[in-house]
Amino acid sequence: GAVVSQHPSWVICKSGTSVKIECRSLDFQATTMFWYRQFPKQSLMLMATSNEGSKATYEQGVEKDKFLINHASLTLSTLTVTSAHPEDSSFYICSAGPGQGGSEQYFGPGTRLTVT
Amino acid sequence: AQSVTQPDIHITVSEGASLELRCNYSYGATPYLFWYVQSPGQGLQLLLKYFSGDTLVQGIKGFEAEFKRSQSSFNLRKPSVHWSDAAEYFCAEDSGGSNYKLTFGKGTLLTVNP
Repeated sequence: GAVVSQHPSWVICKSGTSVKIECRSLDFQATTMFWYRQFPKQSLMLMATSNEGSKATYEQGVEKDKFLINHASLTLSTLTVTSAHPEDSSFYICSAGPGQGGSEQYFGPGTRLTVT
Repeated sequence: AQSVTQPDIHITVSEGASLELRCNYSYGATPYLFWYVQSPGQGLQLLLKYFSGDTLVQGIKGFEAEFKRSQSSFNLRKPSVHWSDAAEYFCAEDSGGSNYKLTFGKGTLLTVNP
């Protein structure tokens, strides 16, 4: 099946610094990539949708200046958490798909971010 | 607004017993529905999906799900649970919009007793 990787798998950073998380589709071209945030014992909350070569579409309540998303190629999207604060600590998961109706999304293994 | 409801937050079953996890969707006459499983600290793995056609869908690991339009349900079943099935299970619906976003239920945590 299609494989999506994320890097790093976990990261600890100090408050005020920025952290970049990469999401790669390894064996297919992902027209669309999605970024989710998951709090402990809770469901996935969609943060934004990115289409290759265009600006990301953010969900209501998500700060676009804080969570910078870049989808520069059909196999790579990045999420940068800028000026991180402890409340940004969470599990971030990306998914990728061909962007067709009803098509399956393939999920990465997630990145655990801890801001101290 | 579109919503997916998983009524059971936590279910405990004995190994070898049958399992049914409930899911109700709210959107659309022709929904795209999915069941995903998540092990602790891991991403999501697709168990099965329903787009159209046969309402009984077979998935991986011995799971199946039945789409019932009259009940707006897409319940996940397994006839005999294994200890390795212990995980969090999420039902999701494709919004069908231009970006085909998934809306997830809150999840059901499955505990399997030996």
